[in-house]
Amino acid sequence: AQSVSQHNHHVILSEAASLELGCNYSYGGTVNLFWYVQYPGQHLQLLLKYFSGDPLVKGIKGFEAEFIKSKFSFNLRKPSVQWSDTAEYFCAVGGAGNMLTFGGGTRLMVKP
Amino acid sequence: GAVVSQHPSRVICKSGTSVKIECRSLDFQATTMFWYRQFPKQSLMLMATSNEGSKATYEQGVEKDKFLINHASLTLSTLTVTSAHPEDSSFYICSANAPWTSGGTDTQYFGPGTRLTVL
Repeated sequence: AQSVSQHNHHVILSEAASLELGCNYSYGGTVNLFWYVQYPGQHLQLLLKYFSGDPLVKGIKGFEAEFIKSKFSFNLRKPSVQWSDTAEYFCAVGGAGNMLTFGGGTRLMVKP
Repeated sequence: GAVVSQHPSRVICKSGTSVKIECRSLDFQATTMFWYRQFPKQSLMLMATSNEGSKATYEQGVEKDKFLINHASLTLSTLTVTSAHPEDSSFYICSANAPWTSGGTDTQYFGPGTRLTVL
């Protein structure tokens, strides 16, 4: 069975600070990894995804994530956050049958 | 592209009634749709996988007689909460596979969710 762990439940940053959200997974097969974002009052949106190839994946809005196979990690990063990045971020693993398993989510608050 | 809609966005019903939630892929065909449940301040929990033209696959602990799923066409899946009770109050979210993504693996696009309140 696959599982996803997001260690940071709440993160508070000031604008322009750098962001790194941790995501660790366990899955025995070929892994597909995703980061989704849920802005307040809105639905989940795909930030970026990794299927294969370059382990450094660039997504929308300046976000990137690095797949480190040896560490079973897929951490999300952004060099300089903005107030508009305040949202909840979910890491997810895609397994057999395209099923997604989500991590518990990380609530990010960016102070202006 | 890849827009998924849900209807209704919010529903309040009395205990014992049934509620139907629709999930539509607006600009693509989805052979597979997924239904999730999200509790307050928690992550999404997969309830079932809905395949067009066949029976849904339910996750462990999800009552298939209570949460009826029908995937009648490539753009529509419905979730019916039968004989709803207050503990069924939750945020229900559907997603649909977008089959054109690279790597041979689909990406899921999510609907805006339906907030169900059972009185």
